Amino acid sequence: EAGVAQSPRYKIIEKRQSVAFWCNPISGHATLYWYQQILGQGPKLLIQFQNNGVVDDSQLPKDRFSAERLKGVDSTLKIQPAKLEDSAVYLCASSLDTSGIAGREQFFGPGTRLTVL
Amino acid sequence: AQSVTQLGSHVSVSEGALVLLRCNYSSSVPPYLFWYVQYPNQGLQLLLKYTTGATLVKGINGFEAEFKKSETSFHLTKPSAHMSDAAEYFCAVRAGYALNFGKGTSLLVTP
Repeated sequence: EAGVAQSPRYKIIEKRQSVAFWCNPISGHATLYWYQQILGQGPKLLIQFQNNGVVDDSQLPKDRFSAERLKGVDSTLKIQPAKLEDSAVYLCASSLDTSGIAGREQFFGPGTRLTVL
Repeated sequence: AQSVTQLGSHVSVSEGALVLLRCNYSSSVPPYLFWYVQYPNQGLQLLLKYTTGATLVKGINGFEAEFKKSETSFHLTKPSAHMSDAAEYFCAVRAGYALNFGKGTSLLVTP
């Protein structure tokens, strides 16, 4: 079974530029998560989709971050414009969970390491 | 709100020694608790989870954890450390629709 795919693996941009990350979840997984992991910290949830609907985006900085999941499969996360504090690893995860209670295993991709200069 | 606190950002053990990584939780509802491991430049991998039932949970790679409600703890243990266990370990608690992670504990295994 193929895992969660993410691209690019690394990205370096200047502040105020825009950037986009792509995620392909495990086939059949209804729920998709985007996490931000700042160096030395645990992952923090940015947004959660169930199929192509948003379940929770309460911690997404909506003035600069946006995400979509078209057709309930792939997802993109965009930052525009980027700030220095956005430097982090962006992790995508997927789960078979359809209950919304986060009881089932989340499978994580390798992440995209973003450096904002 | 549901949260976890991992005690010790770095733990060092000798190969063959007991591994003990500490996690305390705070939850207003019966907790679902998880331990994940992260190897360098990789995503997180589930080691084990507690939802309901037996309080001693066995996971992959010889790890286990015990849910202790009276102590609000979910410590991770392994009887004998391997060099390959060197990684970052995260404790997490269910928080609504997703997980709240601790800050992580970096495990160093010395020969």
